[in-house]
Amino acid sequence: AQKITQTQPGMFVQEKEAVTLDCTYDTSDPSYGLFWYKQPSSGEMIFLIYQGSYDQQNATEGRYSLNFQKARKSANLVISASQLGDSAMYFCAMREVNFGNEKLTFGTGTRLTIIP
Amino acid sequence: KAGVTQTPRYLIKTRGQQVTLSCSPISGHRSVSWYQQTPGQGLQFLFEYFSETQRNKGNFPGRFSGRQFSNSRSEMNVSTLELGDSALYLCASSLSPGLVASGELFFGEGSRLTVL
Repeated sequence: AQKITQTQPGMFVQEKEAVTLDCTYDTSDPSYGLFWYKQPSSGEMIFLIYQGSYDQQNATEGRYSLNFQKARKSANLVISASQLGDSAMYFCAMREVNFGNEKLTFGTGTRLTIIP
Repeated sequence: KAGVTQTPRYLIKTRGQQVTLSCSPISGHRSVSWYQQTPGQGLQFLFEYFSETQRNKGNFPGRFSGRQFSNSRSEMNVSTLELGDSALYLCASSLSPGLVASGELFFGEGSRLTVL
């Protein structure tokens, strides 16, 4: 079963509009972390935002915010006022702890294209 | 400060050969982890090193190995290459072990390996 599900393989959004990238997750661990990374064509994974499972408030970082709905196991990324430079692959990821070992599990990603 | 540096950026090998990839973490970072990214399997965790010791390991065959040196630089080696090993190999560094304590995981631009 998929631990992280990103149902939007690709999205096209008009510049300056807000965009929501969907992410749902599956875990029975009460303590977990959720992340969003941006991967431009250069290949580098750029950390955008983090949400801990016990955080009471939704995380925000500049134009990025994470819409965390714990009961629905949803952690959508919202980008406000999109820019051309936002065109990239976006990955949702979850911290997993198995037998004391931590690792990140990534979703399959969403390719976001901003249209001028 | 300089980011995570991976070399080589691109390389082509043939089946049966072996390859060594290098990763220099951000200065002061002592934890290095490796990921494989393919179109079919997405991003998958390979292993993590801290203080020259492997701490975590993903589900990859023994052909995939790594090591870390006293200066925190890390190498990964793939022996007896197969066509399916063609991928982008990403290295990430962080200050402390436990990959994902706060999202402070910084990625390099990757080494793109093509196996013919």
